[in-house]
Amino acid sequence: QSVLTQPPSASGTPGQRVSISCSGSRSNIGSNTVNWYQQFPGTAPKLLVYSDNQRPSGVPDRLSGSKSGTSASLAISGLQSEDEADYYCAAWDDSLNAFVFGTGTKVTAL
Amino acid sequence: QVQLMESGGGVVQPGRSLRLSCAASGFTFSSYGIHWVRQAPGKGLEWVALISDDGSDKYYEESVKGRFTISRDNSKNMLYLQMNSLRVEDTAVYFCAKGGGSSGRFTADAWGQGTLVTVSS
Repeated sequence: QSVLTQPPSASGTPGQRVSISCSGSRSNIGSNTVNWYQQFPGTAPKLLVYSDNQRPSGVPDRLSGSKSGTSASLAISGLQSEDEADYYCAAWDDSLNAFVFGTGTKVTAL
Repeated sequence: QVQLMESGGGVVQPGRSLRLSCAASGFTFSSYGIHWVRQAPGKGLEWVALISDDGSDKYYEESVKGRFTISRDNSKNMLYLQMNSLRVEDTAVYFCAKGGGSSGRFTADAWGQGTLVTVSS
């Protein structure tokens, strides 16, 4: 089972702000940086955020990551229909010596 | 432009073996750790293994330890995953992903499109 816990779903109307949480522990989020990925059905994941809050080039600034203690969050401002996808957090776990993923959150634009 | 392309997937019976390959281009392959990540049908992402830039460090998810072996050939820009004693629960799409830096531990920043492995009798 996943070491990082996310809500199974999140939703909002177009234009709203949606936030996804990722809860971990001292050995993963508490010790290492957090990544966020976006995945559409049948496609490979895409890196949205690395090092807790850094965006690769091409990722819009309405997506932002944050971290506090052993939890992290991804915020999507100005939700758009094209944001409908699955989102995963991930971090290295020093106890498991493994790159652990969150349980995943399905985002829906109502 | 970073490109990763997996191959070698297919249908295999439980207990048999399969070797996956990942061809890399567009970056200095020998300078980065590389991950294997899998996704069972309808399920979430599950990390499988990581190999450091020079192959000296290897890490595995608990359920594949002793059955799977990750390796690389830096002269060919190739990554491999030898999967032995396959189980039905190993059925998944397998992705290779470029890690961040020499260890590769802290991120997976570019992904291949994946190859499907189906373990079934």
